[in-house]
Amino acid sequence: KAGVTQTPRYLIKTRGQQVTLSCSPISGHRSVSWYQQTPGQGLQFLFEYFSETQRNKGNFPGRFSGRQFSNSRSEMNVSTLELGDSALYLCASSLGQSNEKLFFGSGTQLSVL
Amino acid sequence: QKEVEQNSGPLSVPEGAIASLNCTYSDRVSQSFFWYRQYSGKSPELIMSIYSNGDKEDGRFTAQLNKASQYVSLLIRDSQPSDSATYLCASNQAGTALIFGKGTTLSVSS
Repeated sequence: KAGVTQTPRYLIKTRGQQVTLSCSPISGHRSVSWYQQTPGQGLQFLFEYFSETQRNKGNFPGRFSGRQFSNSRSEMNVSTLELGDSALYLCASSLGQSNEKLFFGSGTQLSVL
Repeated sequence: QKEVEQNSGPLSVPEGAIASLNCTYSDRVSQSFFWYRQYSGKSPELIMSIYSNGDKEDGRFTAQLNKASQYVSLLIRDSQPSDSATYLCASNQAGTALIFGKGTTLSVSS
C-alpha cells in the first residue's frame, strides 16, 4: 500500500510570492492534517480536513489556507510569503476516526529568500 | 493553549542501556497519547500509542501513562545506535488535532 505522498519535495520562493503544496493520503484515508516543522518551534498544527471540510484549525494567520478534494487529496496554500515561513511542511493522513494514529509523508522543504 | 512538554536533550546513553524519555501534557481531557520517532532528515514515524493508564509493551519499547499526573513516558530497553533519533510525544482528545511536543534527541553510543 502506497504511503502519504507529498509534492514537491523542495521549493525555493522569494518573499511576497505564493506557494501551493500537494498531499495524497494513503488509499482509504479520509483525513489529512498539515503541520509546519521548524528547529525552534517543532511540529505545529496548521489544519485538518475530513471529507472536504476543515475540521480543526491551528493558530496560523489567514495567509495559510488549505482544501481537500473529493478523492481526499489535499493542497495547502501560503500567500505573501515571509522569510519566517521557511520550514518543512508535513502532511499526515488517517482514516478520520477519533484518537487515531497519523501517518506522515516525507514533507516539502520550503525556503523563502 | 494545549501544550505538550518534553526535555529537548540531548539524552545520551551507552549501547545496551535503558533510555527513558518523558513528557507532560496540559490538557486534562486528553485521551490518546503517541510516541513518534524522527530520524534526521526524515519524517516522523509512529512507534507507540497508549490510551489507558499503566504500561504498554512492544518489543524493546514500553510506554507508560499516568493520567492523574498528566505524564507519559517511553522506555527503550537494550538501546542500540540505530535508536539515535528525536522522539516526539503527542496527545489529543477525540476529534481534535494531535499536538506534539518539541521532541527529545536521543544519542546511543556504541
